[in-house]
Amino acid sequence: SQTIHQWPATLVQPVGSPLSLECTVEGTSNPNLYWYRQAAGRGLQLLFYSVGIGQISSEVPQNLSASRPQDRQFILSSKKLLLSDSGFYLCAWHIPGQGGNEQFFGPGTRLTVL
Amino acid sequence: RKEVEQDPGPFNVPEGATVAFNCTYSNSASQSFFWYRQDCRKEPKLLMSVYSSGNEDGRFTAQLNRASQYISLLIRDSKLSDSATYLCVVNKIGFGTYKYIFGTGTRLKVLA
Repeated sequence: SQTIHQWPATLVQPVGSPLSLECTVEGTSNPNLYWYRQAAGRGLQLLFYSVGIGQISSEVPQNLSASRPQDRQFILSSKKLLLSDSGFYLCAWHIPGQGGNEQFFGPGTRLTVL
Repeated sequence: RKEVEQDPGPFNVPEGATVAFNCTYSNSASQSFFWYRQDCRKEPKLLMSVYSSGNEDGRFTAQLNRASQYISLLIRDSKLSDSATYLCVVNKIGFGTYKYIFGTGTRLKVLA
């Protein structure tokens, strides 16, 4: 069965510090991968999605970036964090054309920028 | 106008009650529809997909009305454990990519 891992689970970082969040998927190949952010009391905002290694699409302009160095690895980064980057970061996967096109989420990383 | 709109609630209902949530979407080209459940400080989890003919899973029934562009979720015999936020999700496909648009969620509190 497929599983998705994210780490760390929680993170407290000062403003201006760098960020690297990692997501890995097991038990599947060629997934579409997604990064979302959920601010406190808000809906999910799509940040990036990837349909393959090295292929990244950005949904909103910001100081974040994403990379997909391997098929089942998706990384979210920032060179300098802002206060507004605080939130709950969720990685998700989906296999195009399989089942009902459902999307599945990792456990998330809760980031607080101080 | 938001692409997916939901009443944020909260809906406070007693145990055993029936409760219904609606969700409207703006893009008529949307192709797949889902309900997710999100517990406090946890990731969203798929509750059920929504099919054109309507579908049922135990106490949960989902309906889709493409003509009016809305989706509904009915929960019968509510349990305390049903307390959560319910997210309506719409999927659209373009240029070989799949994008999922989330509503902001409807909060349900089931009271003893």
